[in-house]
Amino acid sequence: QVQLVESGGGLVKPGESLRLSCAASGFTFSDYSMTWIRQVPGVGLEWVSDISFSGTTTYYADSVKGRFTISRDNAKNSLYLQMNSLRVDDTATYFCAREYATLLEYWGQGALVTVSS
Amino acid sequence: DIQMTQSPSSLSASIGDRVTITCRASQSISNYLNWYQQKPGKAPKLLIYTASTLQSGVPSRFSGSGSGTDFTLTISNVQPEDYATYFCQQSYSTPGITFGPGTNVDIK
Repeated sequence: QVQLVESGGGLVKPGESLRLSCAASGFTFSDYSMTWIRQVPGVGLEWVSDISFSGTTTYYADSVKGRFTISRDNAKNSLYLQMNSLRVDDTATYFCAREYATLLEYWGQGALVTVSS
Repeated sequence: DIQMTQSPSSLSASIGDRVTITCRASQSISNYLNWYQQKPGKAPKLLIYTASTLQSGVPSRFSGSGSGTDFTLTISNVQPEDYATYFCQQSYSTPGITFGPGTNVDIK
């Protein structure tokens, strides 16, 4: 069955960096675009970034552009989100999701990122 | 960006009730509207896509309708496992999908 497992979340100070990983299994990872979505309680769900199946095309929300980098390693069935210059308002649970025709069919369980001094 | 709104923000329902949640887009999105269910501490789960198509495995008591800017999610005969938060999401404008703020359905 399809499984997506995020890791790498934690507590960091403003300005610091963090790298999230998403390990995929149960499907041919290299066939699908992947997405990062974040959720702040009481605020809702926010799209963060997309990457094409090959990794050659990436997109970012304006709120993270220039600070976050999405990447993937199809040989390792893994998706990544490198987050630099973190801000307090980046605090959220980050989900990776498998994308099919703009549908987010499968989601991971989420990784909590807390940015606080 | 396309803004999504939902109403109500929360509602209370009894087992067996019929529940309707409304989602509105700030501009026409044709039928590019999806619904997700989220339970506390869990990831969202895709329920309905392209406004009215039930995702595989989703009970038939869930249904969706609408096009353009106005959409509804209906749960007929609410069951205990349906108490959750429901989000709509537009997939008309990509990249940059956007979600509604959510509707919390709890027990009356």
